Amino acid sequence: DVKVTQSSRYLVKRTGEKVFLECVQDMDHENMFWYRQDPGLGLRLIYFSYDVKMKEKGDIPEGYSVSREKKERFSLILESASTNQTSMYLCASSLGRWDEQFFGPGTRLTVL
Amino acid sequence: AQTVTQSQPEMSVQEAETVTLSCTYDTSESDYYLFWYKQPPSRQMILVIRQEAYKQQNATENRFSVNFQKAAKSFSLKISDSQLGDAAMYFCALSRGTSYGKLTFGQGTILTVHP
Repeated sequence: DVKVTQSSRYLVKRTGEKVFLECVQDMDHENMFWYRQDPGLGLRLIYFSYDVKMKEKGDIPEGYSVSREKKERFSLILESASTNQTSMYLCASSLGRWDEQFFGPGTRLTVL
Repeated sequence: AQTVTQSQPEMSVQEAETVTLSCTYDTSESDYYLFWYKQPPSRQMILVIRQEAYKQQNATENRFSVNFQKAAKSFSLKISDSQLGDAAMYFCALSRGTSYGKLTFGQGTILTVHP
């Protein structure tokens, strides 16, 4: 079974802090994605990566950056956390562009 | 721009009954996939069913089936013989054909199953 893990289930940070959210997948998937999930808005794509060191902006990239130094690991970085970045963050991976995405358990981030 | 709309924020069903969740979408692409994902409370999101746009036949997975109306841009999910374990948030999603499988999600529908 594909396994996607995220470094924390719950995280509390202060405004202005630099925040790292880590995601690891164990099935050699090419594509990895970061979403944020907010009530009434569904999931919105922040960034995605289709290969090591390759990345593209999603629909809401402002205030975020990403890093993919190894195929199995995709990191989301909040350079200076703000209260409007309080949300549930979901990581996902897929083998090919038509394939199902496998999701991690999510990180609920609270920025105070 | 692609959009996915789920107009039912909440639905409920009695155990063993049938329920249909609605989804409409808009895309200018001719090549795309549609998905229903399930997010149980405090558990990971999983795929329920997938439909290729070029296939006219509706996809079916056990108790789950879709009604895909391409001209109407409608993609509803029917759950037959509902079980308590079906209680979850359900998301409809559209895959953007041109680029690496990026998904556009709907707002989600919370399904409650009553015993």
